[in-house]
Amino acid sequence: DAMVIQNPRYQVTQFGKPVTLSCSQTLNHNVMYWYQQKSSQAPKLLFHYYDKDFNNEADTPDNFQSRRPNTSFCFLDIRSPGLGDAAMYLCATSRTMGNEQFFGPGTRLTVL
Amino acid sequence: AQSVAQPEDQVNVAEGNPLTVKCTYSVSGNPYLFWYVQYPNRGLQFLLKYITGDNLVKGSYGFEAEFNKSQTSFHLKKPSALVSDSALYFCAVRDGSYGQNFVFGPGTRLSVLP
Repeated sequence: DAMVIQNPRYQVTQFGKPVTLSCSQTLNHNVMYWYQQKSSQAPKLLFHYYDKDFNNEADTPDNFQSRRPNTSFCFLDIRSPGLGDAAMYLCATSRTMGNEQFFGPGTRLTVL
Repeated sequence: AQSVAQPEDQVNVAEGNPLTVKCTYSVSGNPYLFWYVQYPNRGLQFLLKYITGDNLVKGSYGFEAEFNKSQTSFHLKKPSALVSDSALYFCAVRDGSYGQNFVFGPGTRLSVLP
């Protein structure tokens, strides 16, 4: 089945220790998104890629970076995690902008 | 700028009764409207969307939603609620005319009581 996969499902890191979250898709969608979601709040868009074009939301901290080496994979790098970065991180894809988004199961990040 | 409101944080309904989860929106251009459901520790699942056409949209798991342009609403409905429908529901809007990203509402927690 075509799907969006996120690894790991649970990630524990230490304050200030870099961490990378992974997302892959078998849908062959052009657009990939990263969202941060805290405590059952609305997902907050961090950035998205349309093919190789990177689009950063204006209020996304510099501490968050992303890479998309190919169509299938997208990574979220948190350079120096703080306690406030503990959250669920959701990856999503869509065929193009404006189409419905398909979400992965999320990675829950804990910062100690 | 586009925005979405879900006026109820929590909706409680008895199993077998009809349910409604409310959503209102604001966009400058044509609205693209979506509903998603989220179960605990899971990603969001797409339920249905309105882009154009019939105002009544039918989606997954027996859910439907009605687009009302004059009231700028897109309420989610189901004729007979199941306990398994208990989850967090998000409405989202995109301004189709200006190519903006989705904006999600704050979410409504639905509890279906047996």
